[in-house]
Amino acid sequence: QSVLTQPPSVSAAPGEKVTISCSGSSSDIGKNHVSWYQQLPGTAPKLLIYENNKRLSGIPDRFSGSKSGTSATLDITGLQTGDEADYYCGTWESSLSAGRVFGGGTKLIVL
Amino acid sequence: EVQLVESGGGLIQPGRSLRLSCSGSGFSFGDYKMSWVRQAPGRGLEWVGFIRRTVYGATTEYAASVKGRFTFSRDDSKSIAYLQMNSLKTEDTAVYYCVRDISVPGDFLYFDYWGLGTLVTVSS
Repeated sequence: QSVLTQPPSVSAAPGEKVTISCSGSSSDIGKNHVSWYQQLPGTAPKLLIYENNKRLSGIPDRFSGSKSGTSATLDITGLQTGDEADYYCGTWESSLSAGRVFGGGTKLIVL
Repeated sequence: EVQLVESGGGLIQPGRSLRLSCSGSGFSFGDYKMSWVRQAPGRGLEWVGFIRRTVYGATTEYAASVKGRFTFSRDDSKSIAYLQMNSLKTEDTAVYYCVRDISVPGDFLYFDYWGLGTLVTVSS
């Protein structure tokens, strides 16, 4: 069981907007920045968003992140079929020695 | 261009040992912490641990699931990080990724570059 909670899947049609949530606690998201990763089928994960809302160079502005309290969200607007992937959130877990934790992952299905 | 390339995976029997390597290029390898992240088949990401920079003693941190069995090391002269896995269990079966770890304790943390991964299958 992952420390951070994400919905197993979300779906939307091309062109629409989808929101992926990541819920944690006061010892992880509540205290630390969140990053988001995209894993396309059969490939390694890649960084999309870091420090809650900063896009890595080259990531389209259709992807945006935010954090409030002990939860974070990843918004994807103008959905494209190529966005179909697994998305993971990640952060520190302050009660673990140098612990890094991930959410369980959310599969985005573009209908 | 930053690249990380893992090697050393394969099929191994439970209880045996295996060493993975991660070769970095396109950046000053010694200037970065290096983490290992694994992904069991059909499952999510699990942080395995990391090794600090050599200037900080190349000290290490491990996830509870591997502590005492896995050991990290690094050779900055060759830009290689190693993951020594002992007493392997079937539940260690996963793709192992080497990742560049960008972090300040209690502040930001992210993994900005990932290798392609190497598959370790623990089975009799």
